[in-house]
Amino acid sequence: SQTIHQWPATLVQPVGSPLSLECTVEGTSNPNLYWYRQAAGRGLQLLFYSVGIGQISSEVPQNLSASRPQDRQFILSSKKLLLSDSGFYLCAWSPPTGQGTHEQYFGPGTRLTVT
Amino acid sequence: AQSVAQPEDQVNVAEGNPLTVKCTYSVSGNPYLFWYVQYPNRGLQFLLKYITGDNLVKGSYGFEAEFNKSQTSFHLKKPSALVSDSALYFCAVRDTYITSGTYKYIFGTGTRLKVLA
Repeated sequence: SQTIHQWPATLVQPVGSPLSLECTVEGTSNPNLYWYRQAAGRGLQLLFYSVGIGQISSEVPQNLSASRPQDRQFILSSKKLLLSDSGFYLCAWSPPTGQGTHEQYFGPGTRLTVT
Repeated sequence: AQSVAQPEDQVNVAEGNPLTVKCTYSVSGNPYLFWYVQYPNRGLQFLLKYITGDNLVKGSYGFEAEFNKSQTSFHLKKPSALVSDSALYFCAVRDTYITSGTYKYIFGTGTRLKVLA
């Protein structure tokens, strides 16, 4: 069966420091990968998505970037964190094209607090 | 553009009573609709989906949802609520085509369900 991992689970970082959040998926190949941010325990904002290695699309211009160095690895980064980057970051995957299912599967999330 | 709305910020229901969490949608074409549940400090878990077919969709943990095309609604229901059902519930719709059969999804703002013992 498929599993999605995220780490770290929680992170407290000072303003101006770098960020690296990692997401990996097991048990599938060529998944579609997504990064969301959830602010104030509510709605989800799509940040990045990827349909393949090295293919990253950004939804919102901001202080963050994403990379997909391997098929099942998705990394969210920042060179200098802002206070507004605080939130709950969720990685999700969906099956590759043509496999007939449409739902997304989410990781456990990373709680980021920028101080 | 596609959208979903969850008109209730919070729903309170007594344990053992039926529950309904509301969702309305606006899409062009046939809607692909989803319900997810989120427990505190956890990721979202998929509950059920409507793609086509029977308007009553059954999902995990005894939940079901009714697709109503004329009212553009997809309400989540459960015949008998449990205290453990207390969580944040999200409705979602398939949105923009990305490439090669891949899509983006739009999520509602969430409804907090509180089941009272």
